[in-house]
Amino acid sequence: DAKTTQPPSMDCAEGRAANLPCNHSTISGNEYVYWYRQIHSQGPQYIIHGLKNNETNEMASLIITEDRKSSTLILPHATLRDTAVYYCIVRVRNQGGKLIFGQGTELSVKP
Amino acid sequence: DTAVSQTPKYLVTQMGNDKSIKCEQNLGHDTMYWYKQDSKKFLKIMFSYNNKELIINETVPNRFSPKSPDKAHLNLHINSLELGDSAVYFCASSSRLAGVPDTQYFGPGTRLTVL
Repeated sequence: DAKTTQPPSMDCAEGRAANLPCNHSTISGNEYVYWYRQIHSQGPQYIIHGLKNNETNEMASLIITEDRKSSTLILPHATLRDTAVYYCIVRVRNQGGKLIFGQGTELSVKP
Repeated sequence: DTAVSQTPKYLVTQMGNDKSIKCEQNLGHDTMYWYKQDSKKFLKIMFSYNNKELIINETVPNRFSPKSPDKAHLNLHINSLELGDSAVYFCASSSRLAGVPDTQYFGPGTRLTVL
Protein backbone atom coordinates (compact mmCIF):
# COMPACT_ATOMS: atom_id res chain seq x y z
CA ASP A 1 0.00 0.00 0.00
CA ALA A 2 1.05 3.57 -0.65
CA LYS A 3 2.50 5.38 2.35
CA THR A 4 1.20 8.74 1.19
CA THR A 5 -2.12 10.60 1.25
CA GLN A 6 -3.07 13.18 -1.37
CA PRO A 7 -6.29 15.03 -2.19
CA PRO A 8 -8.01 13.31 -5.13
CA SER A 9 -8.39 16.45 -7.22
CA MET A 10 -7.47 20.13 -7.43
CA ASP A 11 -8.09 23.01 -9.82
CA CYS A 12 -5.68 25.78 -10.69
CA ALA A 13 -5.96 28.84 -12.91
CA GLU A 14 -3.53 29.05 -15.80
CA GLY A 15 -0.50 31.17 -14.91
CA ARG A 16 -1.01 30.79 -11.18
CA ALA A 17 1.02 28.63 -8.84
CA ALA A 18 -0.26 25.12 -8.22
CA ASN A 19 0.46 23.82 -4.72
CA LEU A 20 -0.06 20.07 -4.36
CA PRO A 21 0.08 18.70 -0.79
CA CYS A 22 1.13 15.24 0.33
CA ASN A 23 1.06 13.62 3.76
CA HIS A 24 3.61 10.94 4.60
CA SER A 25 3.48 10.76 8.39
CA THR A 26 5.13 7.30 8.60
CA ILE A 27 8.14 8.18 6.45
CA SER A 28 11.40 6.55 7.58
CA GLY A 29 14.67 8.38 8.03
CA ASN A 30 16.22 6.92 4.88
CA GLU A 31 13.19 7.41 2.64
CA TYR A 32 13.05 10.13 0.03
CA VAL A 33 9.96 11.92 -1.26
CA TYR A 34 9.51 11.56 -5.01
CA TRP A 35 6.99 13.22 -7.29
CA TYR A 36 5.89 11.84 -10.64
CA ARG A 37 3.06 12.90 -12.90
CA GLN A 38 1.03 11.15 -15.56
CA ILE A 39 -0.42 13.18 -18.37
CA HIS A 40 -3.43 11.51 -19.93
CA SER A 41 -2.57 8.31 -21.84
CA GLN A 42 1.18 8.76 -21.33
CA GLY A 43 3.71 7.01 -19.12
CA PRO A 44 4.52 8.55 -15.73
CA GLN A 45 7.16 11.28 -15.77
CA TYR A 46 9.63 12.08 -13.01
CA ILE A 47 9.38 15.61 -11.59
CA ILE A 48 11.56 16.01 -8.51
CA HIS A 49 12.68 14.32 -5.30
CA GLY A 50 14.11 15.32 -1.92
CA LEU A 51 15.15 14.03 1.48
CA LYS A 52 14.75 16.91 3.92
CA ASN A 53 15.90 20.09 2.22
CA ASN A 54 13.74 22.04 -0.17
CA GLU A 55 14.55 21.30 -3.79
CA THR A 56 14.00 23.18 -7.04
CA ASN A 57 14.52 22.24 -10.66
CA GLU A 58 13.30 23.47 -14.01
CA MET A 59 9.92 21.83 -13.54
CA ALA A 60 8.94 22.46 -9.94
CA SER A 61 9.86 23.12 -6.32
CA LEU A 62 9.52 20.68 -3.46
CA ILE A 63 8.96 21.92 0.07
CA ILE A 64 9.38 19.33 2.84
CA THR A 65 8.32 20.18 6.39
CA GLU A 66 10.93 20.04 9.12
CA ASP A 67 9.42 16.90 10.65
CA ARG A 68 9.27 15.38 7.12
CA LYS A 69 5.69 14.25 7.66
CA SER A 70 4.36 16.24 4.74
CA SER A 71 5.49 18.00 1.61
CA THR A 72 4.18 20.32 -1.10
CA LEU A 73 4.95 20.26 -4.79
CA ILE A 74 4.82 23.72 -6.33
CA LEU A 75 4.38 24.39 -10.04
CA PRO A 76 5.15 28.12 -10.07
CA HIS A 77 3.27 29.11 -13.23
CA ALA A 78 0.87 26.33 -14.19
CA THR A 79 0.01 25.90 -17.86
CA LEU A 80 -2.72 23.85 -19.53
CA ARG A 81 -0.08 21.23 -20.31
CA ASP A 82 0.42 20.66 -16.57
CA THR A 83 -3.02 19.07 -16.36
CA ALA A 84 -2.21 15.56 -15.12
CA VAL A 85 -2.36 13.15 -12.18
CA TYR A 86 0.43 13.92 -9.72
CA TYR A 87 1.81 11.14 -7.54
CA CYS A 88 3.74 11.59 -4.31
CA ILE A 89 5.84 8.51 -3.45
CA VAL A 90 8.19 7.74 -0.58
CA ARG A 91 10.96 5.20 -1.04
CA VAL A 92 14.53 4.37 -0.22
CA ARG A 93 16.86 5.70 -2.86
CA ASN A 94 19.18 3.76 -5.18
CA GLN A 95 18.02 0.27 -4.34
CA GLY A 96 16.34 -0.44 -7.66
CA GLY A 97 13.08 -0.70 -5.83
CA LYS A 98 9.56 -0.43 -7.10
CA LEU A 99 7.50 2.73 -7.12
CA ILE A 100 4.31 2.30 -5.10
CA PHE A 101 1.71 4.58 -6.65
CA GLY A 102 -1.28 5.78 -4.65
CA GLN A 103 -4.34 7.41 -6.16
CA GLY A 104 -2.53 10.70 -6.77
CA THR A 105 -4.02 14.16 -7.23
CA GLU A 106 -5.74 14.96 -10.49
CA LEU A 107 -4.76 18.55 -11.25
CA SER A 108 -6.89 20.47 -13.73
CA VAL A 109 -5.38 23.71 -14.99
CA LYS A 110 -8.12 25.94 -16.36
CA PRO A 111 -7.82 28.94 -18.69
CA ASP B 1 15.58 9.70 -29.59
CA THR B 2 13.10 7.62 -27.64
CA ALA B 3 14.51 6.59 -24.25
CA VAL B 4 12.11 3.75 -23.40
CA SER B 5 10.08 2.28 -26.25
CA GLN B 6 7.36 -0.36 -26.26
CA THR B 7 5.75 -2.33 -29.04
CA PRO B 8 2.99 -2.60 -29.89
CA LYS B 9 1.18 0.51 -28.69
CA TYR B 10 -2.19 -1.18 -28.99
CA LEU B 11 -2.97 -4.89 -28.82
CA VAL B 12 -6.45 -6.34 -29.29
CA THR B 13 -6.81 -10.08 -28.97
CA GLN B 14 -9.19 -12.89 -28.08
CA MET B 15 -9.38 -14.69 -24.75
CA GLY B 16 -7.11 -17.70 -24.58
CA ASN B 17 -4.49 -16.34 -26.96
CA ASP B 18 -0.80 -15.88 -26.15
CA LYS B 19 0.79 -12.49 -26.78
CA SER B 20 4.04 -10.64 -26.15
CA ILE B 21 4.89 -7.01 -25.48
CA LYS B 22 8.42 -5.79 -26.12
CA CYS B 23 10.37 -3.08 -24.31
CA GLU B 24 13.71 -1.53 -25.12
CA GLN B 25 15.67 1.24 -23.41
CA ASN B 26 18.66 3.13 -24.80
CA LEU B 27 19.61 4.88 -21.57
CA GLY B 28 22.28 2.40 -20.51
CA HIS B 29 20.26 1.47 -17.41
CA ASP B 30 20.74 -1.82 -15.60
CA THR B 31 17.24 -2.20 -14.12
CA MET B 32 13.93 -2.57 -15.94
CA TYR B 33 10.35 -2.89 -14.76
CA TRP B 34 6.85 -3.80 -15.87
CA TYR B 35 3.88 -1.95 -14.36
CA LYS B 36 0.18 -2.56 -14.96
CA GLN B 37 -2.46 0.19 -14.93
CA ASP B 38 -5.98 -1.15 -14.66
CA SER B 39 -9.28 0.44 -15.62
CA LYS B 40 -9.43 2.27 -12.28
CA LYS B 41 -6.09 3.88 -13.15
CA PHE B 42 -4.12 2.24 -10.34
CA LEU B 43 -0.49 1.71 -11.34
CA LYS B 44 1.09 -1.39 -9.85
CA ILE B 45 4.50 -3.01 -10.18
CA MET B 46 4.59 -6.49 -11.72
CA PHE B 47 8.26 -7.38 -12.25
CA SER B 48 11.72 -5.92 -12.05
CA TYR B 49 14.97 -7.16 -13.57
CA ASN B 50 18.50 -6.03 -12.69
CA ASN B 51 21.25 -7.08 -15.09
CA LYS B 52 18.94 -9.73 -16.55
CA GLU B 53 18.16 -11.15 -13.10
CA LEU B 54 14.62 -11.13 -11.70
CA ILE B 55 14.57 -9.11 -8.47
CA ILE B 56 10.88 -8.25 -8.01
CA ASN B 57 7.93 -10.54 -8.72
CA GLU B 58 4.73 -9.18 -7.24
CA THR B 59 2.52 -12.27 -7.03
CA VAL B 60 1.62 -12.05 -10.66
CA PRO B 61 -0.07 -15.14 -12.17
CA ASN B 62 2.44 -17.45 -13.79
CA ARG B 63 0.69 -16.89 -17.12
CA PHE B 64 2.86 -13.77 -17.19
CA SER B 65 6.49 -14.49 -17.96
CA PRO B 66 9.02 -11.69 -18.31
CA LYS B 67 12.15 -12.33 -20.32
CA SER B 68 15.28 -10.20 -20.38
CA PRO B 69 17.62 -11.20 -23.22
CA ASP B 70 20.01 -8.38 -22.30
CA LYS B 71 20.11 -5.31 -20.08
CA ALA B 72 18.44 -3.13 -22.70
CA HIS B 73 15.40 -5.33 -23.26
CA LEU B 74 12.61 -6.66 -21.08
CA ASN B 75 9.77 -8.44 -22.81
CA LEU B 76 6.49 -9.59 -21.32
CA HIS B 77 4.84 -12.76 -22.55
CA ILE B 78 1.28 -13.54 -21.50
CA ASN B 79 -0.25 -16.99 -21.96
CA SER B 80 -3.94 -17.85 -22.08
CA LEU B 81 -5.13 -14.27 -21.97
CA GLU B 82 -8.14 -13.48 -19.78
CA LEU B 83 -10.60 -10.58 -19.80
CA GLY B 84 -9.05 -9.26 -16.58
CA ASP B 85 -5.69 -8.85 -18.30
CA SER B 86 -7.08 -5.88 -20.20
CA ALA B 87 -5.05 -2.89 -19.02
CA VAL B 88 -2.26 -0.54 -20.00
CA TYR B 89 1.19 -2.04 -19.44
CA PHE B 90 4.11 0.30 -18.85
CA CYS B 91 7.77 -0.57 -19.08
CA ALA B 92 10.30 1.50 -17.14
CA SER B 93 14.03 1.57 -16.54
CA SER B 94 16.46 3.03 -14.02
CA SER B 95 20.03 2.75 -12.81
CA ARG B 96 21.26 1.20 -9.55
CA LEU B 97 24.78 2.50 -9.95
CA ALA B 98 26.12 4.45 -6.99
CA GLY B 99 26.14 8.17 -7.61
CA VAL B 100 23.66 7.95 -10.48
CA PRO B 101 20.11 9.23 -9.92
CA ASP B 102 17.67 6.33 -9.73
CA THR B 103 14.90 8.11 -11.61
CA GLN B 104 12.59 5.69 -13.36
CA TYR B 105 11.87 6.48 -17.00
CA PHE B 106 8.64 5.10 -18.40
CA GLY B 107 7.68 4.00 -21.85
CA PRO B 108 4.52 5.20 -23.62
CA GLY B 109 2.52 2.14 -22.59
CA THR B 110 0.82 -0.74 -24.40
CA ARG B 111 -2.96 -0.82 -24.23
CA LEU B 112 -4.05 -4.46 -24.17
CA THR B 113 -7.69 -5.29 -24.83
CA VAL B 114 -8.86 -8.87 -24.41
CA LEU B 115 -12.20 -9.67 -26.06
